[in-house]
Amino acid sequence: SYVLTQPPSVSVAPGKTARITCGGNNIGGKSVHWYQQKPGQAPVLVMYYDSGRPSGIPERFSGSNSGNTATLTISRVEAGDEADYYCQVWDTTSDHYVFGTGTKVTVL
Amino acid sequence: VQLVESGGRLVQPGGSLRLSCAASGFIFSTFEMNWVRQAPGKGLEWVSYISSSGSSTYYADSVKGRFTISRDDAKNSLYLQMTSLRGEDTAVYFCARQWEGAHDSWGPGILVTVSS
Repeated sequence: SYVLTQPPSVSVAPGKTARITCGGNNIGGKSVHWYQQKPGQAPVLVMYYDSGRPSGIPERFSGSNSGNTATLTISRVEAGDEADYYCQVWDTTSDHYVFGTGTKVTVL
Repeated sequence: VQLVESGGRLVQPGGSLRLSCAASGFIFSTFEMNWVRQAPGKGLEWVSYISSSGSSTYYADSVKGRFTISRDDAKNSLYLQMTSLRGEDTAVYFCARQWEGAHDSWGPGILVTVSS
């Protein structure tokens, strides 16, 4: 089955840039979606189709996808960005959605 | 857009349970839907998908043969029938609307606990 690997944690100072990676075999050939989840809340879609930003998501959030790595970038990080972030793809081989292992973003 | 899950409770191993998800604020019949779960302290796990017509369904390997997804467009409702429940099925279950291949709206989730 298809596996998506994320770093368990990323720490960033306020105002700096956080980069969250999502590794998968030839993930550049797939469409990647990203979710933000705060404690006790449902996930929120923050990026779709690699770099599409849903309505209401700040321009500070951007995405890219190439080769074996997709990246969610959060610029000018704020305290409110502290959350768990998950990448997701649709695996056409198995007809399954697959979530990444998740990354906890800590704002120092 | 509002999605609200219900039906979660404590159930014994081997038991059955049906979760419901009431949808409002959008034309439910035109959207594909999914169930996603999250075990305590763990990450997100996709569970099941159903097409807008209901004719296509997909399941995670961990629940295939035990869970059944269905929908009733007249009632704007999504369901997940769960049988032969195991301890590892203990989780918060979310229903999620599908849009542009992603899950753009989620319910608050409902807790299912499988334990004797």
